[in-house]
Amino acid sequence: DAGITQSPRHKVTETGTPVTLRCHQTENHRYMYWYRQDPGHGLRLIHYSYGVKDTDKGEVSDGYSVSRSKTEDFLLTLESATSSQTSVYFCAISGGGRQVEQYFGPGTRLTVT
Amino acid sequence: SQQGEEDPQALSIQEGENATMNCSYKTSINNLQWYRQNSGRGLVHLILIRSNEREKHSGRLRVTLDTSKKSSSLLITASRAADTASYFCATLYAGNNRKLIWGLGTSLAVNP
Repeated sequence: DAGITQSPRHKVTETGTPVTLRCHQTENHRYMYWYRQDPGHGLRLIHYSYGVKDTDKGEVSDGYSVSRSKTEDFLLTLESATSSQTSVYFCAISGGGRQVEQYFGPGTRLTVT
Repeated sequence: SQQGEEDPQALSIQEGENATMNCSYKTSINNLQWYRQNSGRGLVHLILIRSNEREKHSGRLRVTLDTSKKSSSLLITASRAADTASYFCATLYAGNNRKLIWGLGTSLAVNP
C-alpha cells in the first residue's frame, strides 16, 4: 500500500446523498483506476484516468463520476448514493510504458443505508 | 463483460503442499498477471507473464502460459499458512487501452 492512500477508509451514508472518495498517490504514476469489489462479481472497473483531466468509463460507470485535476489525486463521486453502491472501493495506480502492473490502495468500505 | 475464469473457486491444502490454480481467458492477450488479496486488504501484484513467454518463476511461484489453450496456471510450492489469501488473474488484452480484465479469484486456505 506504500505510496497510495484512500480516504475515508470507512463511510456510512444515507440513500440520496452525494459521496466523494479520494485516492492520493506519491508515485507520480500516469494511470489511476477506481474499482468496486463485490462478492460473486470480483473486481469491476468504474472509471480510470490516463492523465490529468483525461478520464474514461469502465464497465460499471453509471451513477459515478470522477475528476483528476492533478497527477496525485483521483476523486470518485457518487452523485446520489443508492444501496446498490454499497461495496468496497479500491483505487489502483500504474506507470506508463512497459510498466503495466497495478498497485492498489487499502480500500474504502462504503455502506449506503 | 469479458472475464478470466479461475478454477478452482476454493482450495484447501496442508502446509508444505503445493497449490495450483488455473485461469482461462477469451481472446488474444498482451500479458497475464496474478495478484494476491489477503482478507480485508488491497490486491498485491505477484507476477506478470507476457504473451510470448511460456513460464516464469519468482521465489516459490511458478506461472505458465499456454496461448493455444488460452490458459495460465499459478503454482505455489511448499505452501505456508501465510499464503492463505484469494488469488486473482488479470489479463491485458491486445489493443486494450491499459484496462485489466479480472477473474473472480481462487480462495486458498493453507492449514497449519
